[in-house]
Amino acid sequence: AQSVTQLGSHVSVSEGALVLLRCNYSSSVPPYLFWYVQYPNQGLQLLLKYTTGATLVKGINGFEAEFKKSETSFHLTKPSAHMSDAAEYFCAVRVHTGRRALTFGSGTRLQVQP
Amino acid sequence: DAMVIQNPRYQVTQFGKPVTLSCSQTLNHNVMYWYQQKSSQAPKLLFHYYDKDFNNEADTPDNFQSRRPNTSFCFLDIRSPGLGDAAMYLCATSRDWVEETQYFGPGTRLLVL
Repeated sequence: AQSVTQLGSHVSVSEGALVLLRCNYSSSVPPYLFWYVQYPNQGLQLLLKYTTGATLVKGINGFEAEFKKSETSFHLTKPSAHMSDAAEYFCAVRVHTGRRALTFGSGTRLQVQP
Repeated sequence: DAMVIQNPRYQVTQFGKPVTLSCSQTLNHNVMYWYQQKSSQAPKLLFHYYDKDFNNEADTPDNFQSRRPNTSFCFLDIRSPGLGDAAMYLCATSRDWVEETQYFGPGTRLLVL
């Protein structure tokens, strides 16, 4: 079975500062990994995903994430935070076989201070 | 432009009164999902359809049912809503199992009085 742990339910950064949202996963088989963003009272929007190939993945809105198998991590970063980045971020994992549904982490709420 | 549409966006029902939430998609995707998301929690998969094949999660209460009359539409029926069923309900689609990306609708927020 797979699982996802997001460290830090709330993260606060200043506008222009580095954003780092942490995600660690557990999976017995190679995973697909995703980051989704959710704005208040909205559905989830895909930021980026890792399936195979290059371990550094670039997504929308200047976000990127790096798959590190040895650390079982898939941390999300953005060099310079913008006020519009304030939202809830969910990391999710899915495996290639068996139960193919997404398993989500508990989410990290990002606040951006002016 | 909307790809996954959910109606209504907000639904108020009474304790024990059946309610139906609607989802439609213009993507012609084979797979449709229903998630329940309670306040400050991660979305939790209730069930999904691959075409007409229904797949229920083991811990989804019997109170929750779903119908998919055609490719475009999927409904979530809550037969006897309890106070604990108040949540955001998210519909999502994916092309198939090979296509990993799930596309989410805006959600329906359900309030049970």
